[in-house]
Amino acid sequence: NAGVTQTPKFQVLKTGQSMTLQCAQDMNHEYMSWYRQDPGMGLRLIHYSVGAGITDQGEVPNGYNVSRSTTEDFPLRLLSAAPSQTSVYFCASSYSKGSEAFFGQGTRLTVV
Amino acid sequence: AQTVTQSQPEMSVQEAETVTLSCTYDTSESDYYLFWYKQPPSRQMILVIRQEAYKQQNATENRFSVNFQKAAKSFSLKISDSQLGDAAMYFCAYTTGANSKLTFGKGITLSVRP
Repeated sequence: NAGVTQTPKFQVLKTGQSMTLQCAQDMNHEYMSWYRQDPGMGLRLIHYSVGAGITDQGEVPNGYNVSRSTTEDFPLRLLSAAPSQTSVYFCASSYSKGSEAFFGQGTRLTVV
Repeated sequence: AQTVTQSQPEMSVQEAETVTLSCTYDTSESDYYLFWYKQPPSRQMILVIRQEAYKQQNATENRFSVNFQKAAKSFSLKISDSQLGDAAMYFCAYTTGANSKLTFGKGITLSVRP
């Protein structure tokens, strides 16, 4: 059972480039989320989904897009990378409201 | 908006001793859940313990236990018999019963002295 799989683990982008962070889970979880972790800031919610076809913005959504075409996948798109998006990104999934969130291994993204 | 506060950025404990990590939160909801997550240097987020707000009994998981004070909106984590492998960053987190969005504190770095 793979759990939550994020790719890539590391990425360096130039300012203005676009890219997609992939996230897949094999636990049939309805709830999926993307967080970013910055030093001294904890983890902050970027976007959120309660099921296929349904997404919502979190605390820091600007500069990011998401879609959820299947239960398993929840990709995060950076439209035009900026140095302020240098961070560690985590994808998470959970079975139900209030249940444990399972996290991917994270993606360390550097924008130069 | 819900907030989670971890006011201590760092703590240190001697191996085999007990340490308590503090967390307070602010919410107007009555149905919510609280968590402590551990993040070792590997970066992986690992659930340590979960508490349901409607349960008065404090959650325990082996050497880990919480002191949940609902009226004071306090949720501290006690680690007994500290081990070198407990060294990590610990995050307190909150979610309501309406969804699965997590609000995290800023985290605390715990070091364990041999």
